[in-house]
Amino acid sequence: EAQVTQNPRYLITVTGKKLTVTCSQNMNHEYMSWYRQDPGLGLRQIYYSMNVEVTDKGDVPEGYKVSRKEKRNFPLILESPSPNQTSLYFCASSSRAYKQGEQYFGPGTRLTVT
Amino acid sequence: GQSLEQPSEVTAVEGAIVQINCTYQTSGFYGLSWYQQHDGGAPTFLSYNALDGLEETGRFSSFLSRSDSYGYLLLQELQMKDSASYFCAPNSGGYQKVTFGTGTKLQVIP
Repeated sequence: EAQVTQNPRYLITVTGKKLTVTCSQNMNHEYMSWYRQDPGLGLRQIYYSMNVEVTDKGDVPEGYKVSRKEKRNFPLILESPSPNQTSLYFCASSSRAYKQGEQYFGPGTRLTVT
Repeated sequence: GQSLEQPSEVTAVEGAIVQINCTYQTSGFYGLSWYQQHDGGAPTFLSYNALDGLEETGRFSSFLSRSDSYGYLLLQELQMKDSASYFCAPNSGGYQKVTFGTGTKLQVIP
């Protein structure tokens, strides 16, 4: 089954404790993105990647890191999480073979930082 | 700068037609996407307009006017399961530069 998977789905952590949220897609997509969704603010792009080893900042990259060492994986790293990073996070992927605006989203990761 | 405007909430009756408008301003424009998101779920892609005009996909249609920086999503024969949030998302640069706004929450009532 074609899908984007994220782990963990739920995470409660404390300020300053490094964490990684994994994202994997099995569709051989070139492009991948991370978004955060907050009430009243909608979906905002954190980072995106055009292919292996090629990444760029989205609209809200501060406090986050990403890497794209393999085509299928695009982990999101929070080196020192803070309470303002409490949010719902989505990973998404797309392909040159699709329409430009067509992205496939993972199920989301709900992160709480206390 | 970039801006995106959609109504925050819309209520419509089951079986009716509803139109969700979207005006945008972006630095660079390639096309306009529409996504649906049910409460607790992930956004799912509905349609994409790169050129002016109407795109039809079943009960859903999407329209774009590039000169007016305006688009809309038309949902026909509304069903209760259409109750969800709908996002217009202009693409401002390549496959991954997509800007989502705060969306329109559609409530379908019997």
